[in-house]
Amino acid sequence: QQQVRQSSQSLTVWEGETAILNCSYENSAFDYFPWYQQFPGEGPALLIAIRSVSDKKEDGRFTIFFNKREKNLSLHIKDSQPGDSATYFCAARPGLSGSFNKLTFGAGTRLAVCP
Amino acid sequence: EAAVTQSPRNKVTVTGGNVTLSCRQTNSHNYMYWYRQDTGHGLRLIHYSYGAGNLQIGDVPDGYKATRTTQEDFFLLLELASPSQTSLYFCASSDAAAEQFFGPGTRLTVL
Repeated sequence: QQQVRQSSQSLTVWEGETAILNCSYENSAFDYFPWYQQFPGEGPALLIAIRSVSDKKEDGRFTIFFNKREKNLSLHIKDSQPGDSATYFCAARPGLSGSFNKLTFGAGTRLAVCP
Repeated sequence: EAAVTQSPRNKVTVTGGNVTLSCRQTNSHNYMYWYRQDTGHGLRLIHYSYGAGNLQIGDVPDGYKATRTTQEDFFLLLELASPSQTSLYFCASSDAAAEQFFGPGTRLTVL
């Protein structure tokens, strides 16, 4: 049972376009949603995160849009650059009580930005 | 910034072999995690710990043991390795409610 689902295994955009990566989840108890970025040969690193009390989180060219009713969220990468080419993981965590900061990850979306 | 190191970076063993993967973090985090990464599955949690001597079972624990000897060191043990355990293994650490910092990974091949 995949509790966090990323709709695309891969995505290709042209430099300057907005890349949109989609994610959905099943567990209503999830209330924290980080996105991790992973370059080849490296471990994942936190890119941006949102809590379920918000519907939008922006950090530079990266924005998360969150829809609690529909249980989905998306990561928008504005003005995509070739250096953004990486694998992006959507993750989720329940409220902290009893969860030990345990994250559930999606399968990842490999983004390629063509110059 | 937290520093998480893993060793070895690459390991090849045979079916039935005994393997230990090591992880060390130097930022005094209480929580440490072991994940495996496989195409189509993302990162799946094997075991985790919230302090020396503590162990918690993750989502895919079968065939794996773990031991947290100190706050800094977390080990993953495969006592009878099988080809299905061929994977990329990541260790991570965090404070209770904060970002998880990942190590560079260990690529394990079981022939």
